[in-house]
Amino acid sequence: QQPVQSPQAVILREGEDAVINCSSSKALYSVHWYRQKHGEAPVFLMILLKGGEQKGHDKISASFNEKKQQSSLYLTASQLSYSGTYFCGTARSSGNTPLVFGKGTRLSVIA
Amino acid sequence: GAVVSQHPSRVICKSGTSVKIECRSLDFQATTMFWYRQFPKQSLMLMATSNEGSKATYEQGVEKDKFLINHASLTLSTLTVTSAHPEDSSFYICSARETASGGDETQYFGPGTRLLVL
Repeated sequence: QQPVQSPQAVILREGEDAVINCSSSKALYSVHWYRQKHGEAPVFLMILLKGGEQKGHDKISASFNEKKQQSSLYLTASQLSYSGTYFCGTARSSGNTPLVFGKGTRLSVIA
Repeated sequence: GAVVSQHPSRVICKSGTSVKIECRSLDFQATTMFWYRQFPKQSLMLMATSNEGSKATYEQGVEKDKFLINHASLTLSTLTVTSAHPEDSSFYICSARETASGGDETQYFGPGTRLLVL
């Protein structure tokens, strides 16, 4: 079942923060975050596994609340390069399980 | 991270012809690869799961006779769009996860193949 992402779109000025949410009605094993720029393939950002954890690098971090089956991606002090569409992909088990992607969140960072 | 390549990156063909797209894991082995399709401004939709040495598993609504998948080795999966029609025009992307024990759960995407059927 497709996870639900919110918001659908967001416009930020450079330096502002944003939060993108991804929720599922089914129990999840992992949540994967990707960023896709126009005309390109998705680029892996990070993966969170069940057990409830938080990860981050540079100014992008994410959390996974296993009880709520919800993950959030945090973008702080946004840069123009952060613009793109962010997708969460979810897997209900480990191993060679395909990801089910949300509809995406279009992020535009303006100067 | 691991690298997945796709070839060709872009292809234009006439209606009724067949097109083969290759997906290769360059620095790791993958017993399973996944094929996705993405229409403009939409999400990635799983088409099929490609299994090395066995038949692919297709998602509901995806015609297995139209989208032929072959996973002949641990580093190569191919998707052949047979008798392509304009409605098959799309962005086709493959992904793979390292098979080796201890490999993480990350799925790496290829750069995608943009197909335009005239």
